[in-house]
Amino acid sequence: GQQVMQIPQYQHVQEGEDFTTYCNSSTTLSNIQWYKQRPGGHPVFLIQLVKSGEVKKQKRLTFQFGEAKKNSSLHITATQTTDVGTYFCAVEKGYSTLTFGKGTMLLVSP
Amino acid sequence: DGGITQSPKYLFRKEGQNVTLSCEQNLNHDAMYWYRQDPGQGLRLIYYSQIVNDFQKGDIAEGYSVSREKKESFPLTVTSAQKNPTAFYLCASSMDESGNTIYFGEGSWLTVV
Repeated sequence: GQQVMQIPQYQHVQEGEDFTTYCNSSTTLSNIQWYKQRPGGHPVFLIQLVKSGEVKKQKRLTFQFGEAKKNSSLHITATQTTDVGTYFCAVEKGYSTLTFGKGTMLLVSP
Repeated sequence: DGGITQSPKYLFRKEGQNVTLSCEQNLNHDAMYWYRQDPGQGLRLIYYSQIVNDFQKGDIAEGYSVSREKKESFPLTVTSAQKNPTAFYLCASSMDESGNTIYFGEGSWLTVV
């Protein structure tokens, strides 16, 4: 089935530093979604990327979909303590479900 | 986020007992899902349902059972056959099955002792 590798598993940054997480697939993806899960909370949808080379921004967050539609990244500029959490990418498996990456846990020190 | 209610939020059970986790949604979504989350494992799909009275096994269905008698409800039973049931269980729903955004409930923490 469809699998995605997400790296790094964990990153600890100082507030104000940038952060990037990557999601890689061995096969071409139809689309990719990103979710954020705060500590003790549940995953919340952030964005969906569909087009090759697509770039979308949400304030300090920049999402990219690779030209070959096999990889994606989430970049946070100037992290804040509110960015703490685990970021997951998710891709369609078959036609009806999502497969999630293992996530990147982000810790931000003030 | 809203519109999906899971209960209970915390549950303790003795080994060998079956336990049922409730999931109700008022979003009028067709598809519903159950995921299990363990530390470092991400989210793994247990069961999903695209329509009432129909459901399919996910990646880790062994030791679990579900029903979908109503569009709004998708309860999950963790049976005594599940070897390592202690985990965080997340119910989710989406408009339909075609890769739409998934909305999650707040989750249920199950501890088996």
